[in-house]
Amino acid sequence: KQEVTQIPAALSVPEGENLVLNCSFTDSAIYNLQWFRQDPGKGLTSLLLIQSSQREQTSGRLNASLDKSSGRSTLYIAASQPGDSATYLCAVRTFYGNNRLAFGKGNQVVVIP
Amino acid sequence: EAQVTQNPRYLITVTGKKLTVTCSQNMNHEYMSWYRQDPGLGLRQIYYSMNVEVTDKGDVPEGYKVSRKEKRNFPLILESPSPNQTSLYFCASSPNRDGSYGYTFGSGTRLTVV
Repeated sequence: KQEVTQIPAALSVPEGENLVLNCSFTDSAIYNLQWFRQDPGKGLTSLLLIQSSQREQTSGRLNASLDKSSGRSTLYIAASQPGDSATYLCAVRTFYGNNRLAFGKGNQVVVIP
Repeated sequence: EAQVTQNPRYLITVTGKKLTVTCSQNMNHEYMSWYRQDPGLGLRQIYYSMNVEVTDKGDVPEGYKVSRKEKRNFPLILESPSPNQTSLYFCASSPNRDGSYGYTFGSGTRLTVV
């Protein structure tokens, strides 16, 4: 069974600092990995989707890397802003199992103005 | 706008009173799924559907039913809700069954069973 871990569970950074969020997974047989953002009590917004054959994806200030063999992904957010305060979820789609995404419990981020 | 729409957004109900949470997507996606999110447990899959008339259990199906009579709709039915089904529920869809194009999630339904 795929297990996904996100470290740290929570962090606070001053505005302008770069954010580094880590995601690790136990089974490297994956289709892809997707990073989501969730605001309190709200839905999940997709940020980046990395296919298993890719090493990284970029969108604006966001960059996500994937090292499938070591079971790791990192989400970098450059020059953080207060509006980046949210919970960031990592989700992995494995080859087998019951067609589900395996989610980590999230990185809760607070950017201090 | 391409989206997954859930209704209602908030619902408070009493134990044992049947309810349905609707989910609709306008992207002609094959795959749809329901998740629940609970503090400390994260998101867990309830049921999923690979296509019309094809549904299967996820990790936590007890107490729930689903149906997929049309491609765009995937309602979640609680026949006899109990307080342990108080949770934040999400519907998700994907263009194909293997999820290779990623998933789109709805805005969530906050359910409270008293």
